Amino acid sequence: DQQVKQNSPSLSVQEGRISILNCDYTNSMFDYFLWYKKYPAEGPTFLISISSIKDKNEDGRFTVFLNKSAKHLSLHIVPSQPGDSAVYFCAASENTGFQKLVFGTGTRLLVSP
Amino acid sequence: DAGITQSPRHKVTETGTPVTLRCHQTENHRYMYWYRQDPGHGLRLIHYSYGVKDTDKGEVSDGYSVSRSKTEDFLLTLESATSSQTSVYFCAISVTNEQFFGPGTRLTVL
Repeated sequence: DQQVKQNSPSLSVQEGRISILNCDYTNSMFDYFLWYKKYPAEGPTFLISISSIKDKNEDGRFTVFLNKSAKHLSLHIVPSQPGDSAVYFCAASENTGFQKLVFGTGTRLLVSP
Repeated sequence: DAGITQSPRHKVTETGTPVTLRCHQTENHRYMYWYRQDPGHGLRLIHYSYGVKDTDKGEVSDGYSVSRSKTEDFLLTLESATSSQTSVYFCAISVTNEQFFGPGTRLTVL
């Protein structure tokens, strides 16, 4: 049973436009959510996170939105750049500090010039 | 850079042989994790450690064991490798509320 789902395996966007990556979860005990970016042959890189007490967190071009009632979060990248082309994973945990992260299957983002 | 290294970075082995992967960190973080990444599954937690000699199982622990005899090293052992354990293995550490990952080990079991 997949507790964290990323239903779009891939997304193509033009440079300068907004990229929106979506993630759904089923476990209502999750209270901390993270997004990671992964380039080929490298480890995942932490991007941005959000606690369940918030509905939005922003860091530069990256904003994460959390809708707890819908059990849905999204990552917005504005403006998108070719260097953003990577696989994006969302992850969730039931607590902070010591975490047992549950990952989605990833969305491959391609930003074309 | 969270100071995490993994060795080896690539390994090819045969079914039935034992394999040990090493994760080394330089910053004395308490929590360490081993994940595997497979197409269609994202990353899945194998084992984790919350201190020296303190370890526990994750989601996909069957066929794996771990050891942590000192803070900086977390070892993952496949006692008898199988083809289903062909994967990319990532080590991670926790820093405040986020996890940071090593570069990965690509393991192929023939």
